[in-house]
This record gives sequence, structure tokens and C-alpha cells, in this order.
Amino acid sequence: DIQMTQSPSSLSASVGDRVTITCRAGQSISSYLNWYQQKPGKAPKLLIYSASGLQSGVPSRFSGSGSGTDFTLTISSLHPEDFATYYCQQSYSAPQTFGQGTKVGIK
Amino acid sequence: EVQLVQSGAEVKKPGESLKISCKGSGYIFTSYWIGWVRQMPGKGLEWMGIIYPGDSDTRYSPSFQGQVTISVDKSISTAYLQWSSLKASDTAIYYCARRTGITGIAGDWFDPWGQGTLVTVSS
Repeated sequence: DIQMTQSPSSLSASVGDRVTITCRAGQSISSYLNWYQQKPGKAPKLLIYSASGLQSGVPSRFSGSGSGTDFTLTISSLHPEDFATYYCQQSYSAPQTFGQGTKVGIK
Repeated sequence: EVQLVQSGAEVKKPGESLKISCKGSGYIFTSYWIGWVRQMPGKGLEWMGIIYPGDSDTRYSPSFQGQVTISVDKSISTAYLQWSSLKASDTAIYYCARRTGITGIAGDWFDPWGQGTLVTVSS
């Protein structure tokens, strides 16, 4: 299995802050990396596919970058509705493992 | 609208069997893989396995192989996740999701997701 490691595990930020979450793969996964947002009591929601593709309907303040083993999710200006947990997922090989999650909380 | 609707919450005793469902609508059900993801209480997401409704081709994570069975009834556009003998450690929310991709784009992803089914196993 390919191990996916996110950092930090949690962070506190204020509305308007720029937030960056990193995801590192245990081996090269090219651009086979997705990002999801999960709010309490809700199913995960796709934000970014294939490392940098913005899913339809997702605000442009979300962006993804990276390739190989190192990836980032950036929220350019945090909105109140962005407080949630974010997961990366590799789709390079089965099982298509997820990172452990990064919880973005209110400072 | 593409939608996955899962069956309702279940409360079971250890040793009991269970089958939960995920019904797809708004797209050609047989053309997309369906995956199952576990989320234990307060924990992260775990990829369990996937099934292709067109031919029932199924792939399991080694962590879940032999522990659960994934199946499909394409006549009613429904995928299933089942246990023959539940354990307390199976207590979790289980999500189904459609595996989607775009021709020419690397990889695939889960979108949309079902609303989740809470399974509680307790004596």
C-alpha cells in the first residue's frame, strides 16, 4: 500500500488567512492525487482531482499543486464555511489510500 | 443529477450478518466503478474496495479482503457491502462513492458520495 502523510494534522486559522496543507506520498504517484473536504456529519466532497484540477462548483480560492511525492492544497483566503477536515487520496494504485486528514479550525 | 442513496442506520449484535446498500441514479450505473470507504468514529477515511457493475469485477484492499463482501445488482442499480459475522470493531460510517475520471486526465476520483450508513455493533 502507498502511505499518504498529511501535515499538519490540525491547524487554527482566521477568516481571510491563507492556508496550506501538504500531502506526501510514500512513492512517486505522478499527478494521481485528489483532495476532499469533509464537514462534521457530512460525506466527503471532492475539491481537487489529478493534483490541480478544480472540481466544478468549487470556489477558485481552492487550488492544488505538486507531482511525484509532494503535493499541496492551498486556500487563498479562508472563508467561514471552509472550517472542515481535508483529506488527500492517491489514485495511482489500489488500494487508493487516503491521508490521515488535516482539521482546519477557528483561531 | 447523479446521486447515490444509501440504506439507513443499522444496530446489530456481534456475530450477526448485515448487508447495506447504495443505489445509483442519474447516470448509466453499469459504466462506473462504485467504491466503499470506512470511517471509524472520530477517524479518517479508509478505502475498502471497488466493484464494476458492468461485469461485477471486484477489487479489495488487503486490509478488508475476507472481512467483507462487495456485490452488485445491476438490474436495480444497487451496490452492496455485507458482513457474515459482525464485530464491535466494524462500528463505523460506511460511504459508497462513484469512481470517476476524465479521458486524458491522470487518475480517477470519488464523486459523488452517498450520504453514509452508520453501522453500530454492540452487545
